[in-house]
Amino acid sequence: EADIYQTPRYLVIGTGKKITLECSQTMGHDKMYWYQQDPGMELHLIHYSYGVNSTEKGDLSSESTVSRIRTEHFPLTLESARPSHTSQYLCASRETGLGTEAFFGQGTRLTVV
Amino acid sequence: GNSVTQMEGPVTLSEEAFLTINCTYTATGYPSLFWYVQYPGEGLQLLLKATKADDKGSNKGFEATYRKETTSFHLEKGSVQVSDSAVYFCALKAKNAGNMLTFGGGTRLMVKP
Repeated sequence: EADIYQTPRYLVIGTGKKITLECSQTMGHDKMYWYQQDPGMELHLIHYSYGVNSTEKGDLSSESTVSRIRTEHFPLTLESARPSHTSQYLCASRETGLGTEAFFGQGTRLTVV
Repeated sequence: GNSVTQMEGPVTLSEEAFLTINCTYTATGYPSLFWYVQYPGEGLQLLLKATKADDKGSNKGFEATYRKETTSFHLEKGSVQVSDSAVYFCALKAKNAGNMLTFGGGTRLMVKP
């Protein structure tokens, strides 16, 4: 069983609000990722981190930001939510190594009204 | 760049039918290949993986063989169950891409009793 947790599972919020999606893992993994999943189910990498104080933008441009102050914690923040941010957000982590699997959290379904 | 192509869904089958979900990839070198499954309302879980050519990954009755000559990693199951209804993602991880996971678009499987 994967030890990676996302909160909240579901969030409905008004336009313009600031929100932070939490992601924590207890496996000591250096690498962590945020994916955005569109209604067609495709996964798009929006942020990743190779370790503490390391953050990079992914393939899909996103207005969100991330931080990695501690190994186990990789929160994603939207300073001003918009309806276009409505989506499913998935956090993942893995050990270093080519064949290692990624473990995913259960996801946060965000709706901005 | 690296890419993964999956057959489009949805795939609708009757219980106990044979399942094949095609997956082909483009990558340089020798990527690791994965199948992930996403049950309704959940995050992704690793289903199986293969790290070198001719390896066969298997789990829960599902199988996939790493075919370098055809750059394929097709997912098969001899007899599907209603509980197999989910979205299935093929993915690869390659050194030339910083060991990032590259996902296919996902294939929704619906199994009817």
